[in-house]
Amino acid sequence: DGGITQSPKYLFRKEGQNVTLSCEQNLNHDAMYWYRQDPGQGLRLIYYSQIVNDFQKGDIAEGYSVSREKKESFPLTVTSAQKNPTAFYLCASSIALSGTLQFFGPGTRLTVL
Amino acid sequence: KNQVEQSPQSLIILEGKNCTLQCNYTVSPFSNLRWYKQDTGRGPVSLTIMTFSENTKSNGRYTATLDADTKQSSLHITASQLSDSASYICVVSAAGAGSYQLTFGKGTKLSVIP
Repeated sequence: DGGITQSPKYLFRKEGQNVTLSCEQNLNHDAMYWYRQDPGQGLRLIYYSQIVNDFQKGDIAEGYSVSREKKESFPLTVTSAQKNPTAFYLCASSIALSGTLQFFGPGTRLTVL
Repeated sequence: KNQVEQSPQSLIILEGKNCTLQCNYTVSPFSNLRWYKQDTGRGPVSLTIMTFSENTKSNGRYTATLDADTKQSSLHITASQLSDSASYICVVSAAGAGSYQLTFGKGTKLSVIP
């Protein structure tokens, strides 16, 4: 089965803690992305990666960090510097960076207590 | 600035009825437009993708249209089912290699009631 997996599905965090969201794909896609979704708003880009060991900030990168050590994996760390981290986080991938179909993972809902 | 506007923001229809969702964009230069369906608490799933030369594309009961001159697209749902209840997101891609080019609409929330 080819696809994108995200874990965990639900995540709870205390204020001041860092937390890492997992994203894995077995589609052999070069490009991977992280989005944040809040009620009533469109998807907003946090970070994206075109190839291994390379990533770029999106529109709302402050308070987040990523790594791309393997083609299949693109974990997102939500740091304590993120002022309002409670949201639904979506990972996506595409064959290449520009203009191609993006496949989305099932999402992780992060709640800060 | 590239923008994608969707209307209506939300819509309630009776099961079995048809409906049409709208997407207007100002993305330039245009590459393609995609409609996604997103069930509550799930990731978006692609319904159709349309390029500049395509006017209409169907996927079962979903039919997307594109007017590149007026920069408008619509998604028509025929004989709606309760399972069509979801958010529908329009995403427009600008042409340009080697860089991120996607602009997302905020979505239309469709509720199909018995």
